[in-house]
Amino acid sequence: GAVVSQHPSRVICKSGTSVKIECRSLDFQATTMFWYRQFPKQSLMLMATSNEGSKATYEQGVEKDKFLINHASLTLSTLTVTSAHPEDSSFYICSARGAATDTQYFGPGTRLTVL
Amino acid sequence: AQSVTQLGSHVSVSEGALVLLRCNYSSSVPPYLFWYVQYPNQGLQLLLKYTSAATLVKGINGFEAEFKKSETSFHLTKPSAHMSDAAEYFCAVSYRGGGNKLTFGTGTQLKVEL
Repeated sequence: GAVVSQHPSRVICKSGTSVKIECRSLDFQATTMFWYRQFPKQSLMLMATSNEGSKATYEQGVEKDKFLINHASLTLSTLTVTSAHPEDSSFYICSARGAATDTQYFGPGTRLTVL
Repeated sequence: AQSVTQLGSHVSVSEGALVLLRCNYSSSVPPYLFWYVQYPNQGLQLLLKYTSAATLVKGINGFEAEFKKSETSFHLTKPSAHMSDAAEYFCAVSYRGGGNKLTFGTGTQLKVEL
């Protein structure tokens, strides 16, 4: 149980375009989803927390207009990187937590490369 | 505020030897503590967690960790390393009422040699 998927696993895009990443909880209802980014050989940095049906809460220094997060259902959250630039290239990982647990379950990650 | 310190960004052990990965935390309230493992180009997999029950926590793949409040530590151990244990390991802390936000350590790369 507690499986989280992400799509796509890899994406390459041109500078200036927007990219959408999906995060799904496959076998449980995720009341809260989290989005992280991870630079090579570094730890995970929390970008934002989203609760189903509410606006996401962004961490300090994360541009909410650049990283649009939608959590419209209990099994799906999306992260849209708008007007992507090479410095946005990173590994983006989502996690999901159900209502009755303190544990976050992580997706397999999405490797974004902006040319 | 919470923080996690993982001593040793790289640890190398021989196959069959004891694995010890260190984690110390700082938290002003009772913490929840987690160990996750990450294989290359993959997400994180939960190894084990401490949420104020038994202080010795057993996880998957033969790993265990002991919560020691007096030492503010939550070190990860495995009696006998296997080649498949080679990966990046992250210690993380959160707390009840904190929105379940995880604060991660910087990670420890475990290498297992023949």
